[in-house]
Amino acid sequence: EAGVAQSPRYKIIEKRQSVAFWCNPISGHATLYWYQQILGQGPKLLIQFQNNGVVDDSQLPKDRFSAERLKGVDSTLKIQPAKLEDSAVYLCASSLDWAAYGYTFGSGTRLTVV
Amino acid sequence: SQQGEEDPQALSIQEGENATMNCSYKTSINNLQWYRQNSGRGLVHLILIRSNEREKHSGRLRVTLDTSKKSSSLLITASRAADTASYFCATDYGGQNFVFGPGTRLSVLP
Repeated sequence: EAGVAQSPRYKIIEKRQSVAFWCNPISGHATLYWYQQILGQGPKLLIQFQNNGVVDDSQLPKDRFSAERLKGVDSTLKIQPAKLEDSAVYLCASSLDWAAYGYTFGSGTRLTVV
Repeated sequence: SQQGEEDPQALSIQEGENATMNCSYKTSINNLQWYRQNSGRGLVHLILIRSNEREKHSGRLRVTLDTSKKSSSLLITASRAADTASYFCATDYGGQNFVFGPGTRLSVLP
């Protein structure tokens, strides 16, 4: 089966610019997650979707971050405007049954804000 | 913080030796998972262990869970250079997603 696809692989932007990341989960996986992983730390959940509805966005900085999952399949995560501290790897994951099988992660997008 | 904490933060061993990493957590959980992350890549799911299980095996991996001590351990036997990676435990705390710890960075030297 195809894995979780993410693009772009790398992105360098200046602070105050905007950026968008794209994720295509594994076909049939209803649950989709966006995680932020700062260098040397574990991933931190930003937002969780079940189909196209938001389950948990409690740690999403909503003044600058937004995410959507149109038609319950692909998802985009946007940052506007970006800050230096947003430099991180943004990981997308999907799950068929998270409690039984865990997550399948994409390779991530490494964002550098200069 | 609800996250689990892995110990040690970093570990260096020789190829062929066993590597043991531990994860401690604070409150009751339903499930605990271990993931591996190679440098510059996404995380790969290794093993999920439920709160009513005490031990699980997968190839050279053995995971134990002690709910009375709120801790889990990951043992990699006969380590290889390819096992060099960061290892994370993730706990659910009865919620709808998993919270990741800061990880253990394992280096297996040839």
